[in-house]
Amino acid sequence: DTEVTQTPKHLVMGMTNKKSLKCEQHMGHRAMYWYKQKAKKPPELMFVYSYEKLSINESVPSRFSPECPNSSLLNLHLHALQPEDSALYLCASSPLSGGRGWTQYFGPGTRLLVL
Amino acid sequence: RKEVEQDPGPFNVPEGATVAFNCTYSNSASQSFFWYRQDCRKEPKLLMSVYSSGNEDGRFTAQLNRASQYISLLIRDSKLSDSATYLCAVNTNAGKSTFGDGTTLTVKP
Repeated sequence: DTEVTQTPKHLVMGMTNKKSLKCEQHMGHRAMYWYKQKAKKPPELMFVYSYEKLSINESVPSRFSPECPNSSLLNLHLHALQPEDSALYLCASSPLSGGRGWTQYFGPGTRLLVL
Repeated sequence: RKEVEQDPGPFNVPEGATVAFNCTYSNSASQSFFWYRQDCRKEPKLLMSVYSSGNEDGRFTAQLNRASQYISLLIRDSKLSDSATYLCAVNTNAGKSTFGDGTTLTVKP
């Protein structure tokens, strides 16, 4: 089972709203990631958590705030977003052990529209 | 120069054709390499990991050339269902992952 789930599937928010994206996996993976993907572009890495600690922040603006409450959950808190932040937000996870260490498995994404 | 450069495509091929995609990467410290397939408005799905010894999965063959810093994907006997965008991904050991821009494949009847 290589399932990563994300909620909500779609989100529309205003620039003054606060919202959160949620990602969950029950595969025992110990790394989790947030990516942003604009149309016809590749996924761009935002954050990496390894063993529940933030290990990579790709200079993401502070209006995006990640949180990893436990090894199965990853949240992305959104506040004061801009219309250019509208994109598909993808979560992924990796085992970090065994032969597939850094292999990433993606969730279906949250399609975000900022008005 | 981009960290990962991928054939721009698009590739339009007839069913049954053989098609090859290539990616080059600039970071010699890169440790792991992957090919993903992404359908329109869907998430990337892992197609294959790529190893120096090469690996094959049915009609798909992936190769890694560390000396020249490129990876390739060969699809034989293309099917209509192979139509998608193919993305290469290059990881450092720290988990930093960089994707190529993707190559769109359309297989025509």
